[in-house]
Amino acid sequence: EAQVTQNPRYLITVTGKKLTVTCSQNMNHEYMSWYRQDPGLGLRQIYYSMNVEVTDKGDVPEGYKVSRKEKRNFPLILESPSPNQTSLYFCASSSTAINQPQHFGDGTRLSIL
Amino acid sequence: KQEVTQIPAALSVPEGENLVLNCSFTDSAIYNLQWFRQDPGKGLTSLLLIQSSQREQTSGRLNASLDKSSGRSTLYIAASQPGDSATYLCSNFGNEKLTFGTGTRLTIIP
Repeated sequence: EAQVTQNPRYLITVTGKKLTVTCSQNMNHEYMSWYRQDPGLGLRQIYYSMNVEVTDKGDVPEGYKVSRKEKRNFPLILESPSPNQTSLYFCASSSTAINQPQHFGDGTRLSIL
Repeated sequence: KQEVTQIPAALSVPEGENLVLNCSFTDSAIYNLQWFRQDPGKGLTSLLLIQSSQREQTSGRLNASLDKSSGRSTLYIAASQPGDSATYLCSNFGNEKLTFGTGTRLTIIP
């Protein structure tokens, strides 16, 4: 089954404790991206990757890192999480950047205490 | 910077009615326009994608149109059903980035 898989789905942690949210897709997609969703602010893009070893900042990249060493994986890293990073996070992929639909994971709800 | 506005923020209609959801963009440079639905606690499901050279797309009871000159898109839902209750989001892909509206929360009243 074609899908985008995020792990974990839920995480409660404390300020400053490094964490990684994994994202994997099995559709051989080139374009992958991360978003956070906050009430009243909607979905905002954090980082995106056009292909392996190519990443770039979205609209809200501060406090986040990503890597794209393999085509299927695009982990989101919070080196020193802070409470303002408490949010619902989504990973998405598409076969190419333009003119193809985005496929979303089910989301990861992060709470930073 | 592209901004996307969806009005209304919430909408309730009786079952069986036809309805229109609106989406507008501040930048007319629209490369592709995508409509999604999001159910509570779930990810986004792609409904329709209108490529930059197209004006509309249809899937079943759904029809999405795009007017690039005015920077507007509409999602038309025919013969609404309770299962259509969800939040609907539009997005524009431009300059390698995807920008979303804040969504319209739709409730279909049985």
